[in-house]
Amino acid sequence: GENVEQHPSTLSVQEGDSAVIKCTYSDSASNYFPWYKQELGKRPQLIIDIRSNVGEKKDQRIAVTLNKTAKHFSLHITETQPEDSAVYFCAASELAGGGNKLTFGTGTQLKVEL
Amino acid sequence: DGGITQSPKYLFRKEGQNVTLSCEQNLNHDAMYWYRQDPGQGLRLIYYSQIVNDFQKGDIAEGYSVSREKKESFPLTVTSAQKNPTAFYLCASSSPADTQYFGPGTRLTVL
Repeated sequence: GENVEQHPSTLSVQEGDSAVIKCTYSDSASNYFPWYKQELGKRPQLIIDIRSNVGEKKDQRIAVTLNKTAKHFSLHITETQPEDSAVYFCAASELAGGGNKLTFGTGTQLKVEL
Repeated sequence: DGGITQSPKYLFRKEGQNVTLSCEQNLNHDAMYWYRQDPGQGLRLIYYSQIVNDFQKGDIAEGYSVSREKKESFPLTVTSAQKNPTAFYLCASSSPADTQYFGPGTRLTVL
């Protein structure tokens, strides 16, 4: 089955700096890669996703890049703000036959310091 | 997200007791999922269902059971066979082969 590794486990940046979180996956059949943000005690919320037919996707301060050959994808947050502090999870799945069985990474605790 | 509800928010279980966690969605999603989250860890898939009256085991199904009698509902039972059930349980739903949206979660504690 799929295995997703995520690094780093903790990340501390100064407000205004950029943050990068990296994930690798093992199953070459995976073609869908979402990123979720989870605040303490709350539900994970989708912030951006990418499918394997594109190499990069941006949404304001957030971008995701995908390298299918190397089987890794990354989340980039620019101009970080204190409200970006949370745990971020990457995930991977093969979208097929109506299913979307996600395998998650272990999470990155991002802290944005003033 | 607002279309997925879970109850109760907090649940306490005694040793040897079965408990059922509720998950309801009004998003008309065909697929529903149950995940378990332990402190400092990612989400692990327990069971998922792509259609009414059908469901499949995920990565950690032992000690859990589910049913899918209605499209809107996907309850999870934590049985006494699950030896370490204390965790945060998250339900999710999606359209076929599409983004998953999560409910607010149930925090289960074994007394």
